[in-house]
Amino acid sequence: DVKVTQSSRYLVKRTGEKVFLECVQDMDHENMFWYRQDPGLGLRLIYFSYDVKMKEKGDIPEGYSVSREKKERFSLILESASTNQTSMYLCASSFSGRGGYTFGSGTRLTVV
Amino acid sequence: GENVEQHPSTLSVQEGDSAVIKCTYSDSASNYFPWYKQELGKRPQLIIDIRSNVGEKKDQRIAVTLNKTAKHFSLHITETQPEDSAVYFCAALWEGSARQLTFGSGTQLTVLP
Repeated sequence: DVKVTQSSRYLVKRTGEKVFLECVQDMDHENMFWYRQDPGLGLRLIYFSYDVKMKEKGDIPEGYSVSREKKERFSLILESASTNQTSMYLCASSFSGRGGYTFGSGTRLTVV
Repeated sequence: GENVEQHPSTLSVQEGDSAVIKCTYSDSASNYFPWYKQELGKRPQLIIDIRSNVGEKKDQRIAVTLNKTAKHFSLHITETQPEDSAVYFCAALWEGSARQLTFGSGTQLTVLP
């Protein structure tokens, strides 16, 4: 019944490493989003995409990039991981005009 | 763009009592308002939503009300149970984008046995 899948539940990486977080949805949604969630700060939008090969910056894009080569897959890339990127990362997807998101289970990333 | 404010940030109620969480939005062009529940360690899940052409919607013990004039909407949970304990997020969809939700900051609800 899982419709948005994030490749890793827990991840530990070293400072300076390049990190890939993968998200795949099987609902043919046009829109895909990456959020990070930190205690007391709610959900903060990093990047989003409305179509293949399309990307838009969210509220906190610094230190991140994304890739959407196929409609069902949206990857978040940490070019050079830093300790302040330790967080819970949530992927979501939706149909345009209908509003509701379906979230993935999240990836808890720890950068040491 | 849209801005959504959510209150309170924390809420404790006795089991069986009602809980109310309120959100205000800034853009009158917003037309879709979902509520998400996130249990500890789990993904946010949609629990109820309302569109701007409706004033109230109920689903068993939960209800959402919308006041378009005042630009606020509320989540009401009646007969609360311990399993209602979670973080609740409100959100608004701006008609201009029709794609991206703006989220409130979340409310930690604790139901005390």
